[in-house]
Amino acid sequence: QSALTQPRSLSGSPGQSLTISCTGTSSDVGDYNYVSWYQQHPDKAPKLMIYDVNMRPSGVPGRFSGSRSGNTASLTISGLQAEDEADYYCCSYAGSYTWVFGGGTKLTVL
Amino acid sequence: QVQLVQSGAEVKKPGASVKVSCKSSGYSFTTYYIHWVRQAPGQGLEWMGIINPLSGTINYAQHFQGRVTVTRDTSTSTVYMDLSSLTSDDTAVYYCARGLRYTNGRHIWFYFDYWGQGTLVTVSS
Repeated sequence: QSALTQPRSLSGSPGQSLTISCTGTSSDVGDYNYVSWYQQHPDKAPKLMIYDVNMRPSGVPGRFSGSRSGNTASLTISGLQAEDEADYYCCSYAGSYTWVFGGGTKLTVL
Repeated sequence: QVQLVQSGAEVKKPGASVKVSCKSSGYSFTTYYIHWVRQAPGQGLEWMGIINPLSGTINYAQHFQGRVTVTRDTSTSTVYMDLSSLTSDDTAVYYCARGLRYTNGRHIWFYFDYWGQGTLVTVSS
């Protein structure tokens, strides 16, 4: 099972909107409505930000949203804030009780 | 509140095995599956495997087949991950995470909503 493909790094200024892509295959991202996104600050455990492609858990700010088109899922942060600087990982169910993560994207807020 | 509390850091020699525990509290232990995910230094997250605490049924990522064993003790709400034949490439933080449940005839919760604090395993001679 190959890792999902994410850009290694992205940057944006406070207030800007930014989208992180996550490309998989027709056997994972494209086949199941089970894409999730995680935020990880240095030396912390990952935190769930989006599940089931576009659902936001309670407590996650509304500026975080998810979507999918074909084999590519996306996480959009609208109105970037300093505390959004972190690593972001996508994850997809890949069938047969297996999951696959993306390689991660380091987001820098300028 | 839901908590997953993992055992402490370990230092192991190449070829040895390590066993990491993950104790659950704040919810019905047998209702949610538990996953194991690892993260090598400066690297991304890697899914390792999953266990159904109710039945003990397990599934492992192909990369770890034959080297990883995940078990559970329902009396203490604890899941264990045993990794054998360690090499320096196994140096990583190992996380347990809650996710997947079976209800009303189908599986739901295909994501990881609560995570343990992580356990650093260092493999060094």
